Amino acid sequence: ETGVTQTPRHLVMGMTNKKSLKCEQHLGHNAMYWYKQSAKKPLELMFVYNFKEQTENNSVPSRFSPECPNSSHLFLHLHTLQPEDSALYLCASSQPDRNYEQYFGPGTRLTVT
Amino acid sequence: AQKITQTQPGMFVQEKEAVTLDCTYDTSDPSYGLFWYKQPSSGEMIFLIYQGSYDQQNATEGRYSLNFQKARKSANLVISASQLGDSAMYFCAMREGPYSDKLIFGTGTRLQVFP
Repeated sequence: ETGVTQTPRHLVMGMTNKKSLKCEQHLGHNAMYWYKQSAKKPLELMFVYNFKEQTENNSVPSRFSPECPNSSHLFLHLHTLQPEDSALYLCASSQPDRNYEQYFGPGTRLTVT
Repeated sequence: AQKITQTQPGMFVQEKEAVTLDCTYDTSDPSYGLFWYKQPSSGEMIFLIYQGSYDQQNATEGRYSLNFQKARKSANLVISASQLGDSAMYFCAMREGPYSDKLIFGTGTRLQVFP
């Protein structure tokens, strides 16, 4: 247990569906992240939030919409996804005074049909 | 150019032996941090060890040590006394700059420990 939880752990959705991924951290960190992990590719940073403000959007398509209502919660809203969006989506959090080491959740395995 | 390079897609090691996982990095920033993470089949990325660019000593955490060779820009992970539970993907990552909150990951090395 790293103190970062993600729900759901598995999600299958059609291309016309709308769904949301949830991340919650219990570590008191101020920064939260969304990553995409596809097979045989390095982890891709998608979004960064610091103190609830988005500080990084790594050219992510608009069909992915993040939301950070407070420093402990992070959502990723999904709509009209493509099959190539199937991947493991990882959430992480960090605290600047700890070398920025990031603590990850278990991920959501997303399959788009 | 790749910022983080892990040239070993897969490694095998016998239980109780030591193994070294390679990582080279590329940056022109004098201040950076290097991380190793373990990802078991369950998917969770587990932080293992950290090395700062100005740290004089190699980092150690239990059975994990980081062989930091700054001039060669390498940060190899050494796992001593391998255990079956060490079988997983291992990722090297870098933070560029003193205040960056972004990590750049390598493609990973799959380690398999056999009895």
